[in-house]
Amino acid sequence: AQKITQTQPGMFVQEKEAVTLDCTYDTSDPSYGLFWYKQPSSGEMIFLIYQGSYDQQNATEGRYSLNFQKARKSANLVISASQLGDSAMYFCAMRERNQAGTALIFGKGTTLSVSS
Amino acid sequence: EPEVTQTPSHQVTQMGQEVILRCVPISNHLYFYWYRQILGQKVEFLVSFYNNEISEKSEIFDDQFSVERPDGSNFTLKIRSTKLEDSAMYFCASSEDYLAYEQYFGPGTRLTVT
Repeated sequence: AQKITQTQPGMFVQEKEAVTLDCTYDTSDPSYGLFWYKQPSSGEMIFLIYQGSYDQQNATEGRYSLNFQKARKSANLVISASQLGDSAMYFCAMRERNQAGTALIFGKGTTLSVSS
Repeated sequence: EPEVTQTPSHQVTQMGQEVILRCVPISNHLYFYWYRQILGQKVEFLVSFYNNEISEKSEIFDDQFSVERPDGSNFTLKIRSTKLEDSAMYFCASSEDYLAYEQYFGPGTRLTVT
């Protein structure tokens, strides 16, 4: 079974609009971390946002917020006020046991295209 | 701002040859990782390294692969006898300490096996 599922291979949004990128996860570990990374066409992996399984509030980082619904095992990324520079591949990832040295398990990614 | 660096940016090698991919993690970081991404696919974990030993490895990380921290700054991934299916982008990452959650990724090395 997939540990991380991203069901949207591609998303299209206009500048200044908000967009939600979906991510569901599967784990039986009570302690885990959820991450979103951005990969522009240049190829590097850019960390965006993190949510711990015990965190009471949804994580926010500037225009990025993580809609964490623990019971549904979903960790959707919301990008507000999209910009052209947001066009990239977005990966959701999970770290079980949520401790250093543990692997990040990535989803297949969602390609976001922002148009003017 | 400190960053993870990787060399070379692109390596072309013939099947059966050995390759060494090099990484310089952020200087005060203690945990090091290698991931790979086959073109158009998801990023896959290979190995993590702490205190001069492997702390976790995936099924991909078989006997053809090895990692080493030969000095205080470099972290290397060796592939002993490359196969066509080893062609991928290889990312090095590092994280600061036990409490840190962020893994800082390097820019990647694109390995092409012909």
